[in-house]
Order: sequence, then structure tokens, then C-alpha cells
Amino acid sequence: GQSLEQPSEVTAVEGAIVQINCTYQTSGFYGLSWYQQHDGGAPTFLSYNALDGLEETGRFSSFLSRSDSYGYLLLQELQMKDSASYFCAVSARGANNLFFGTGTRLTVIP
Amino acid sequence: GAVVSQHPSRVICKSGTSVKIECRSLDFQATTMFWYRQFPKQSLMLMATSNEGSKATYEQGVEKDKFLINHASLTLSTLTVTSAHPEDSSFYICSAWGGLNTEAFFGQGTRLTVV
Repeated sequence: GQSLEQPSEVTAVEGAIVQINCTYQTSGFYGLSWYQQHDGGAPTFLSYNALDGLEETGRFSSFLSRSDSYGYLLLQELQMKDSASYFCAVSARGANNLFFGTGTRLTVIP
Repeated sequence: GAVVSQHPSRVICKSGTSVKIECRSLDFQATTMFWYRQFPKQSLMLMATSNEGSKATYEQGVEKDKFLINHASLTLSTLTVTSAHPEDSSFYICSAWGGLNTEAFFGQGTRLTVV
């Protein structure tokens, strides 16, 4: 089967940097994705890592270490609008699906 | 990004009736569509994976006779909640996926309330 673990809640100050970790267990691992979901809305894609290393997209960066079965999402220069739930998701050969972690609720405070 | 249209966005139905939710990928052909269920402040729980023209693969604990999934074309999948009960009240979200190494595009979700 597949499993992912993330912290359930994180609080950070506006303008700061926050890191949301994700550890996973799956066979046939292919890639790790990150999605953002605001309350009442649909998840939207943020980033994807299939290879080790850091992918940077504006204020958001995502990191993957395949050997450690670990990744993280880094949010810089936090803004109030970044308050949302963030989900990591794994795709795996053979499973042919996208399996989501439990989600991390980020609250940005002034 | 691609657009996935899901409707209805909200539906209220009586206990014992059936409800159909449609999910359309408007500008790309989705080899796979997923159906998720989400309770308030919780994660997306994968219910089933459907590939065009074949039977859906249901996750453990999901009743395939209660949650009927049809994926008749590369752009349309439907979820029918049969004989709905109040405990089926939830937020249902579909997602269209082009396969490994691609991102998933989500519909806006359907809030089902069974009274």
C-alpha cells in the first residue's frame, strides 16, 4: 500500500519562511507532488519532483530525497493568502493513481 | 492549466434517492479520473480510480455497488451515489490525470447533503 505523513498544522508569521515535510512509503515510487487547497475550494497543483533535489517556482520550492523517502515544500515571504491546506501526493508505477497525504493546515498570522 | 468541470456544485437529496455527479475534462483527454471524498478539515480520501472504457478500481472500504462510477469517454466520468443516506453527506471531488509525471486537475467539487 501507500502512506504519507505530514504535520497536521503549522502556524507562521507573515513574511517568514515555512517548511512542510512529507515522508512517504510506497513501492514503485515515481514522483511527489504538492497541492494547495483553500477552504471550500478545489486543490490546485503547486509542484512536482521526480528526481532528487530542489525545484523552485517563485516563492514556493519543493525538495525530494528518494533515498530518504522524504520531501518538503518551502514557502518563502509568506503572505496571508497562503493560509490553506497543503497536500503532498505520490504517484507510483503499478498503482496508477495519485495518493494524497493527510494534509497540513497552514495558518499565516500578521 | 487544463479545466475540469464538475457539477452539480451543491445538491440536496432525500434519503434513499440516487444522485449523479458529472466530471468533464474540457481541454485534454484524461486517461485516468479519480474520485475523492473529503470531510471537513480532512484530507482527500481516494474512493476509486477509473480508466476510460474499463471498470473502476475501488479503494478498500468503498462499496462499489453504492458508488457507481462510469468512465465512458476520455473526457467524462460520472459518480452515482445510490440509495443515499445522511452519512453519505460529504464533499466529493473528481480529478483528471494524464498519468505518471503529469499533474492532476481537479473539479470544483460537489457538496452533497442527504436529508
